[in-house]
Amino acid sequence: AQSVTQPDIHITVSEGASLELRCNYSYGATPYLFWYVQSPGQGLQLLLKYFSGDTLVQGIKGFEAEFKRSQSSFNLRKPSVHWSDAAEYFCAVVRSNFGNEKLTFGTGTRLTIIP
Amino acid sequence: GAGVSQSPSNKVTEKGKDVELRCDPISGHTALYWYRQSLGQGLEFLIYFQGNSAPDKSGLPSDRFSAERTGGSVSTLTIQRTQQEDSAVYLCASSSYPDFYEQYFGPGTRLTVT
Repeated sequence: AQSVTQPDIHITVSEGASLELRCNYSYGATPYLFWYVQSPGQGLQLLLKYFSGDTLVQGIKGFEAEFKRSQSSFNLRKPSVHWSDAAEYFCAVVRSNFGNEKLTFGTGTRLTIIP
Repeated sequence: GAGVSQSPSNKVTEKGKDVELRCDPISGHTALYWYRQSLGQGLEFLIYFQGNSAPDKSGLPSDRFSAERTGGSVSTLTIQRTQQEDSAVYLCASSSYPDFYEQYFGPGTRLTVT
């Protein structure tokens, strides 16, 4: 079965600093990979997705992620965080077979921004 | 274009009571998913509807949980004889061809079983 690991439960960064959130997946073939963000009391919002092609994908709010097959990783990055980026971030995977689109989520990383 | 809506936003119920949670997907979206978000289990898939196909119920934790989707649109998740471990946020998402993998989530229903 596919699984997703987010090793960092909580990360604190200063406003304006760079950010990298880690995500590793376990699956035999190339899955479809996603990053979602959840602000307090809100639903999940899709930041970006990777299906195939260019391994560096751009998303909304200035986020990007890089797919590295050799490391089974899909880390999320942002060059300069803003206070509004404080939220919980979830990496997710879907097996790339039509008719099986349910998401398997990691346990999430809570991001705190300090002034 | 309204997004996915869910009601109620909060529900407090006594152990043993039945509850119904509602999801209105984005108009025209043929796929609908229910997920549960709890402290102990994180985010987990519950059930998936796609058009007129039989639903994928593989994530439902027990036979106390059921869901239906009427007319290919609104869905209701029913939990019978609620238990304290059912306390969680229940999230609904929808998607549509050709971007079935791009799921749009509602704000969730927070269920508290006392």
